[in-house]
Amino acid sequence: EAGVVQSPRYKIIEKKQPVAFWCNPISGHNTLYWYLQNLGQGPELLIRYENEEAVDDSQLPKDRFSAERLKGVDSTLKIQPAELGDSAVYLCASSLGDRASTDTQYFGPGTRLTVL
Amino acid sequence: GESVGLHLPTLSVQEGDNSIINCAYSNSASDYFIWYKQESGKGPQFIIDIRSNMDKRQGQRVTVLLNKTVKHLSLQIAATQPGDSAVYFCAETRYGALTFGSGTRLQVQP
Repeated sequence: EAGVVQSPRYKIIEKKQPVAFWCNPISGHNTLYWYLQNLGQGPELLIRYENEEAVDDSQLPKDRFSAERLKGVDSTLKIQPAELGDSAVYLCASSLGDRASTDTQYFGPGTRLTVL
Repeated sequence: GESVGLHLPTLSVQEGDNSIINCAYSNSASDYFIWYKQESGKGPQFIIDIRSNMDKRQGQRVTVLLNKTVKHLSLQIAATQPGDSAVYFCAETRYGALTFGSGTRLQVQP
């Protein structure tokens, strides 16, 4: 069974440019998460979807970040415009979604973003 | 600043020895705890989990201990192998929100 798929794996852009990341979760997983991971730190949740509904986006910087999961399967995360401090790894994870607090989250390999 | 996150606590062990990685969690209401392993260039990988109504759980070569009194979690790896070298994160969850602790880098010496 394929795991969580993310693309691109690496992205280098200049500041003020837009960038988008794509995630395809494990088949059958209803819940999808986007995390940000700074170097040497644990992942921090940006947004959580249950099917196509964003149920927790409290940590998403909405002035420049947006996300969508239109058909309840794959998802995109966008930054516009990117800033130097956005350089990080952006991780996508998914879980079955049938047991809220004890669902195991499975992570993709992440997209490493470098903003110059 | 940026440099703080670069100085991960590091545990260095000899191949074949047992490893113990510790973690202090913050939320006494957390009901589920997970250990993740993250190798360079990869996403976190699930190792083992434990519910708050348990104090010990064993897997293959790994054991997680939970002490709710002092809000402490530990991961024990038996007969540590070179492939165990990675950064290990503990995470706590309540109502589906996963909060990661600071990681520990495990280095296995041959």
